[in-house]
Formats: sequence, C-alpha cells, structure tokens
Amino acid sequence: SQTIHQWPATLVQPVGSPLSLECTVEGTSNPNLYWYRQAAGRGLQLLFYSVGIGQISSEVPQNLSASRPQDRQFILSSKKLLLSDSGFYLCAWSDRAQWETQYFGPGTRLLVL
Amino acid sequence: DAKTTQPNSMESNEEEPVHLPCNHSTISGTDYIHWYRQLPSQGPEYVIHGLTSNVNNRMASLAIAEDRKSSTLILHRATLRDAAVYYCILRVLISNFGNEKLTFGTGTRLTIIP
Repeated sequence: SQTIHQWPATLVQPVGSPLSLECTVEGTSNPNLYWYRQAAGRGLQLLFYSVGIGQISSEVPQNLSASRPQDRQFILSSKKLLLSDSGFYLCAWSDRAQWETQYFGPGTRLLVL
Repeated sequence: DAKTTQPNSMESNEEEPVHLPCNHSTISGTDYIHWYRQLPSQGPEYVIHGLTSNVNNRMASLAIAEDRKSSTLILHRATLRDAAVYYCILRVLISNFGNEKLTFGTGTRLTIIP
C-alpha cells in the first residue's frame, strides 16, 4: 500500500533562518506531488505541484521554493523565513493514472518567531 | 476558479444522519465535485466525489442536484469520529498529466453531539 511521510512534524524557526521540509511517498511510482499551506483558521492553499523529477510549477508568488530531486521526494525550502510563513504545510500525492483522489501526509506545523 | 459556498458550522446528534450542503453555482461542465474532511491536526482525507450522478461509498453518499449547482454530502449515521471540517471542492485539471488543483475554502465544521 502507498504511504506518504512528512518531517519534521513540528518546527519552530526564527525569522530569517532557512527552511527545508521533506516529503516522501512509498508504494507508488511517478506520482503527481503537491505542497499546500494552511494558515490558522483558513482553508488550504496550493503552493506547488510537480508532474515529474525536476518539474515544478508554482501557484502563488512567495518566499518559498520547491524541488523534486527524486521521483518520490518533494522538498519545500526557503532561504529566509518570514513571520507570514507560519502555518501547517501539507504534502499530497495523486496517481497519474487514477487522479481523482489526492492523498495527504500528516503535515508539518511551522512557527516562525 | 469556480467557487463553493458552505455553512461555517453545523451540529448533529450522534447516530443521526447529517446533510452537509454545498453551493457551486458557477460550476462548469467538466468540474468534478469532491469532498474531503480534515480532522484536527491532520491532513485532509478524501471522502467522495462525483460529476452528475449520485454516488455512494462506505463513508458517505453524495447527492448532486440536476443542474449541478449544488450538492449534499450525506453521512448516514454520524459518530463522534465524524467530527471534522468538511470541504466541498471543485476539482480543476491543471495540466495534461492528470494533476489537478483542489481549491479548499474554509469548509463546514461539523460537531457531533453525544
């Protein structure tokens, strides 16, 4: 069966520090991958999506970047965090052949102080 | 992107059916209606989806209006574990690779009363 992992689960970082959040998927190949952010009390916002290694599309301009160095690995990064980057970050995947459903990871709660 | 409108919150008694409404008056002919739910401090979980016909699965039923401008998620017998935020989403394909954009609103916070 397929599983999706995210780490760390919780992160507290000072303003101006770098960020690296990792997401990996097991049990499937060539998945579509997504990064979402959920601010407190808000809905989810799609940040990036990827259809393959090295192929990243950004949905909104921001202080963050994403990379996909391997087929089942998706990384969210920032060189300098802002206070507004605080939130709940969720990685998701979908099967390219059966794309009706997105499967979400457990999320990383980021607090920038 | 086509938008959806849901009540902010609803309450239901345990072991009773729950009907969660969603309006999507600007839906296009190719938009699928998806429902996800999010338990506290967890990622969203897929519930059900449909295009035109009513749908049933082990979790819920989805009733879609004939004009597709509204839909209702039906939980047949609510349990305490069904307490969550329920999102009604119109899925939009964003490339030819089958990946899709799900625009999550603020959803309906469902409270189950024991």
